[in-house]
Amino acid sequence: KQEVTQIPAALSVPEGENLVLNCSFTDSAIYNLQWFRQDPGKGLTSLLLIQSSQREQTSGRLNASLDKSSGRSTLYIAASQPGDSATYLCAVSWGYQKVTFGTGTKLQVIP
Amino acid sequence: DVKVTQSSRYLVKRTGEKVFLECVQDMDHENMFWYRQDPGLGLRLIYFSYDVKMKEKGDIPEGYSVSREKKERFSLILESASTNQTSMYLCASSLAEGGGSYGYTFGSGTRLTVV
Repeated sequence: KQEVTQIPAALSVPEGENLVLNCSFTDSAIYNLQWFRQDPGKGLTSLLLIQSSQREQTSGRLNASLDKSSGRSTLYIAASQPGDSATYLCAVSWGYQKVTFGTGTKLQVIP
Repeated sequence: DVKVTQSSRYLVKRTGEKVFLECVQDMDHENMFWYRQDPGLGLRLIYFSYDVKMKEKGDIPEGYSVSREKKERFSLILESASTNQTSMYLCASSLAEGGGSYGYTFGSGTRLTVV
């Protein structure tokens, strides 16, 4: 079974800290991996999409890396801000209509 | 930017009612999806559609049906709402198979409460 795990489930950091969120998956034959942000009571906002042939993607203060051999992706957030507080989810695609979402890491950035 | 619009942010319905959740996307995506999201269970796929009038069951289709009469619109129907269908419902679209090169785009969600 293809599973996606995000640990920890919750994380609290002081403002300004650099932090890493983790996403692990059980089958390395992925198609792509997508990171999302979800604010309370709202939908998912796409942050970064990494294709299986790529090692990383960057957008502003965010950097996502992919290591298929170890079944792991990390989302690096530089110089965290209170506005970064949200739940971050990863979604792994193994091909046609085979997408599994992690249950997310709830991030709180303390001013 | 691709936009996925869900017609209602919050809905309160009574047990036994027929409920329609509407989703519209504006970028000519072939694939559309309905998920529900519950605490501790994450996102679970209810139904998806890969073309007009085409649909496939996801992981939890029981108690739901869908309709896709036009490419841009994908409706989720609760035939007879029950309290265990109280949840956040999320619609998504994508350009190609498996999310393709563009991944998924989600709507803002509909929080449905069945009383």
